[in-house]
Amino acid sequence: AQTVTQSQPEMSVQEAETVTLSCTYDTSENNYYLFWYKQPPSRQMILVIRQEAYKQQNATENRFSVNFQKAAKSFSLKISDSQLGDTAMYFCALLSGTYKYIFGTGTRLKVLA
Amino acid sequence: GAGVSQSPSNKVTEKGKDVELRCDPISGHTALYWYRQRLGQGLEFLIYFQGNSAPDKSGLPSDRFSAERTGESVSTLTIQRTQQEDSAVYLCASTPGYLSTDTQYFGPGTRLTVL
Repeated sequence: AQTVTQSQPEMSVQEAETVTLSCTYDTSENNYYLFWYKQPPSRQMILVIRQEAYKQQNATENRFSVNFQKAAKSFSLKISDSQLGDTAMYFCALLSGTYKYIFGTGTRLKVLA
Repeated sequence: GAGVSQSPSNKVTEKGKDVELRCDPISGHTALYWYRQRLGQGLEFLIYFQGNSAPDKSGLPSDRFSAERTGESVSTLTIQRTQQEDSAVYLCASTPGYLSTDTQYFGPGTRLTVL
């Protein structure tokens, strides 16, 4: 069975500081994709970053980067220089094989002024 | 055009009634997904459309749930004889192509409350 686990229900960080959100997953597939999605209080989810499992290099998008540890099946998201607009629910997701995305339960991040 | 839209944004219904939720994907997007998000939980995959065909309906929780899509356009998710456990936010997403790795563009969701 494929699973995605986010063990931090809530986190907070001071504005301008760095925070790391954890995600572990399980799949028996060799080829898969991992995603981080952000869901602000307005509810509309948007893609933050994605990682192809066959790529060893960690993905980076501006202030967002991932630490992809394939052997450990870990996929953490690092947010640098946190901004108030980063306050949101963050979901880790796995796409393995077909079109069924498996989402974690989310981490609620609050950026403090 | 604009992003994915969903209607209604909120729906309160009584147990046993039928409800219909609507999703308008981004124009030209060929694939469409429905998800359910219960309070405090992650997204639960319900169904995926390639055009107006749904190759896999196994994510639908029960036979009270059904979905259809007209061409590569609007989709409706129907829940018959609603139960309190159906209360959730129902999210729709569309992607430009059929590749499941394409970026999903999400709608704002419909919050369904079954009394």
